[in-house]
Amino acid sequence: DTEVTQTPKHLVMGMTNKKSLKCEQHMGHRAMYWYKQKAKKPPELMFVYSYEKLSINESVPSRFSPECPNSSLLNLHLHALQPEDSALYLCASSQVRTSGGETQYFGPGTRLLVL
Amino acid sequence: GQQLNQSPQSMFIQEGEDVSMNCTSSSIFNTWLWYKQDPGEGPVLLIALYKAGELTSNGRLTAQFGITRKDSFLNISASIPSDVGIYFCAGQRHTGANSKLTFGKGITLSVRP
Repeated sequence: DTEVTQTPKHLVMGMTNKKSLKCEQHMGHRAMYWYKQKAKKPPELMFVYSYEKLSINESVPSRFSPECPNSSLLNLHLHALQPEDSALYLCASSQVRTSGGETQYFGPGTRLLVL
Repeated sequence: GQQLNQSPQSMFIQEGEDVSMNCTSSSIFNTWLWYKQDPGEGPVLLIALYKAGELTSNGRLTAQFGITRKDSFLNISASIPSDVGIYFCAGQRHTGANSKLTFGKGITLSVRP
């Protein structure tokens, strides 16, 4: 099973709203990721959590706040977003292989529209 | 940031034809991954390659990890309409806490019935 789940599937929010995106994986993966993807572009990395600790923040604005409550869950808290933040937000997880290498598996994404 | 070189941006083929896609880099990668993405969905892993020279198949798909570690290709044989989508290559240099993927710009594949 290589399933990463994300909720909600779609989200519409105003610029003054606070909302959260949720991601879950039960593969025992040690790393979880948030990506932002614009139409017909590759995913852009936002945050990486390794063993529940934030290991990479790609200079993301503070209106995006990640949280990793436990090894299976990853949240992205949204506050005071701008219309240009509208995008597909993807979660991924990965585990280092004993034979070397590491593969990321993506969730289905949350389509966010900021009005 | 750095991107892998994937071109052309779009490919149009006839159903039943084979198609090959290339991904190149000026830097060495230790893992090469190929993903397919349908509109509004997340990327789905097609093939993962972990060793230089490795050739791996997944049904009608075959991918190879270049011997120089700077390139990879994906072949799709006997294409069918459901092969339509965007194909991304991705490379990874490090595992562990600093693990990051570098993506190509993607190739949009259209299959004419």
